[in-house]
Amino acid sequence: DQQVKQNSPSLSVQEGRISILNCDYTNSMFDYFLWYKKYPAEGPTFLISISSIKDKNEDGRFTVFLNKSAKHLSLHIVPSQPGDSAVYFCAASMVTASNTGKLIFGQGTTLQVKP
Amino acid sequence: KAGVTQTPRYLIKTRGQQVTLSCSPISGHRSVSWYQQTPGQGLQFLFEYFSETQRNKGNFPGRFSGRQFSNSRSEMNVSTLELGDSALYLCASSLMVSGTGTQYFGPGTRLTVL
Repeated sequence: DQQVKQNSPSLSVQEGRISILNCDYTNSMFDYFLWYKKYPAEGPTFLISISSIKDKNEDGRFTVFLNKSAKHLSLHIVPSQPGDSAVYFCAASMVTASNTGKLIFGQGTTLQVKP
Repeated sequence: KAGVTQTPRYLIKTRGQQVTLSCSPISGHRSVSWYQQTPGQGLQFLFEYFSETQRNKGNFPGRFSGRQFSNSRSEMNVSTLELGDSALYLCASSLMVSGTGTQYFGPGTRLTVL
């Protein structure tokens, strides 16, 4: 059962434009969401997170939006740069004793930013 | 601060062997989680340790085990290796006590089972 889904395996955008990466989840118990970026042969790098009590969090060029009623979150990158080309993972966690330390990841979306 | 370090970075083993992977968390971080990344399954949670105790475990067979030392360093062991264990094994550390702490990942250990 895939509790966190990234339905778009890949996305291609032009440099300077907006990149929008989407993520859907099924478990309403998730209360913390994170986005990671991953280059080949490296570990995921934390980008930005959002608590379920918020609907938006912004950090520089990166903004995450959360729509709890739709169980959907998105990552906006504006403006996109060629160095943003990587695999982006959405992840979710729950604050319960049995789920501490466990992130559930989506399958990832490969972003290509063309110069 | 130094990041999460993992050793070795690359490992080649044969079926039936066992392997131990090591992870040193960010200084001050007491929680260490392990994940397996494969092309078909994505990133899958293996287990998490906090203060030398396993707090959570994913859906992996008992051949996968781990431990954490008093200095928060962690090791992961896989016994009786199978071809399907070939993967990137990632370790992540966090300050967290609850489930909302951001996890920071190491570079991973690429395990190839022949």
